[in-house]
Amino acid sequence: EIVMTQSPATLSVSPGQRATLSCRASQSVSSNLAWYQQKPGQAPRLLIYGASTRATGIPARFSGSGSGTEFTLTISSLQSEDFAVYYCQHYNNWPLTFGGGTQVEIK
Amino acid sequence: QLQLQESGPGLVKPSETLSLTCTVSGDSISSLSYYWAWIRQPPGKGLEWIGNIFFRGNPYYNPSLKSRVTISVDTSKNQFSLNLTSVTAADTAIYYCARQYYYGSFPDWFDPWGQGTLVTVSS
Repeated sequence: EIVMTQSPATLSVSPGQRATLSCRASQSVSSNLAWYQQKPGQAPRLLIYGASTRATGIPARFSGSGSGTEFTLTISSLQSEDFAVYYCQHYNNWPLTFGGGTQVEIK
Repeated sequence: QLQLQESGPGLVKPSETLSLTCTVSGDSISSLSYYWAWIRQPPGKGLEWIGNIFFRGNPYYNPSLKSRVTISVDTSKNQFSLNLTSVTAADTAIYYCARQYYYGSFPDWFDPWGQGTLVTVSS
């Protein structure tokens, strides 16, 4: 099983500032990685797939990068609606696994 | 626009079977382009993939749950279902159904997700 490790667990950022979230896979997943955003009381929403492709309707301030075992989600200028929990997920082989999440909170 | 809606009991007794159904509207569950998945999230915790199914193929299950899980599809009703046997308090979670993209080699990302349904295991 591929273990996905996200860091930090919590990220405190001021509105308008840049946020950088990390996701590490215990073995290579190539570019088979997705990012999701989850707000309280809501289902996760797809942000990024293929490690760097934004999903339909996702603002350009969200960007993904990386391949192999190291991945990054960057939010270039945090808006109030971006404070949420972010999860990475690989889809390279079975079983599919998620990272433990990074909570982005207001500083 | 595709919508997925989970339904089923919100309370299940320990040792019994949890049964949920996901109704798909706005698209055919018989599409060649998608798998259909179940994912769960214990309160305040992270996400766990339970399993998925193609409309005409074998289901795939998380090894940690494989001995207790069955996922099936009913194309006539445009629904797919989850059965989880011998539940314990550890199975208390929000259960989500989701569409999973498939481009022919391996199932990919989940989009969209249903709103989720909380299932509590308690006597």
